[in-house]
Amino acid sequence: DGGITQSPKYLFRKEGQNVTLSCEQNLNHDAMYWYRQDPGQGLRLIYYSQIVNDFQKGDIAEGYSVSREKKESFPLTVTSAQKNPTAFYLCASSPAPGYEQFFGPGTRLTVL
Amino acid sequence: QQPVQSPQAVILREGEDAVINCSSSKALYSVHWYRQKHGEAPVFLMILLKGGEQKGHEKISASFNEKKQQSSLYLTASQLSYSGTYFCGTDPYSGAGSYQLTFGKGTKLSVIP
Repeated sequence: DGGITQSPKYLFRKEGQNVTLSCEQNLNHDAMYWYRQDPGQGLRLIYYSQIVNDFQKGDIAEGYSVSREKKESFPLTVTSAQKNPTAFYLCASSPAPGYEQFFGPGTRLTVL
Repeated sequence: QQPVQSPQAVILREGEDAVINCSSSKALYSVHWYRQKHGEAPVFLMILLKGGEQKGHEKISASFNEKKQQSSLYLTASQLSYSGTYFCGTDPYSGAGSYQLTFGKGTKLSVIP
C-alpha cells in the first residue's frame, strides 16, 4: 500500500535536547512538506522540499532543520532553539506543486 | 496571510445541511479542502482551480468565487461520519500552483444523532 509513514506516534523529550522526526513516503512524490499544528490552529508550514537535495523555508522555520538526501525521506529536526516545540507535527507529500497533499499520521511531540 | 473560516464551530443533527466559508484577502489560484478527525491526519476532499468552479463528491460539494476571493463547502444531509474539523488551504495566485498552501484555523463540525 502506498502512503506516508511517520514515527514515532508519540515522542517525549527534555527541554534543550534536539529531536528528529521521521517521515517516509512510497508514493514516488517529488514534493514533501512539514507542518506544525497547535490546538485550535490550522496547519503552519515549517519547510518544504521540491526535489532531492533542495528544500525551502516555510512560514515558521526558525528552530527547525531538515534534509532531503533521498526522494522517499524528509526528516525534521526540532532543535533546542525552538522555543515552544510541543505540538503535533504532520508530514505530507504531493506529486507536484498545487496538487493534492497526502498526509502522514503525525507525531505528537511533548517537551518536558 | 491566513484565510478566515466561518463558522468556527457548528453542531448539526443527522440529515441537516451546513455551509463552511473560507475567505482570503489575496487573489487565489486555487482552494483546497481537507477534513481532519481528532488525532488523525487531514484527508483531502477536493481542489477548486478556477473561479466559479464547483465540485462535488456524494453529498459534499464546494464552490469558488474568484472575484470575492472565497470558497464555500456544502455538506448536505449530514451523516455522523462527517464530524471532524474542516480546513481550507489557499494557494495564492501566481499563474500556477505553488508549494505553499496557507491553511485557515478550521471549522469544527459535530454531527449528532
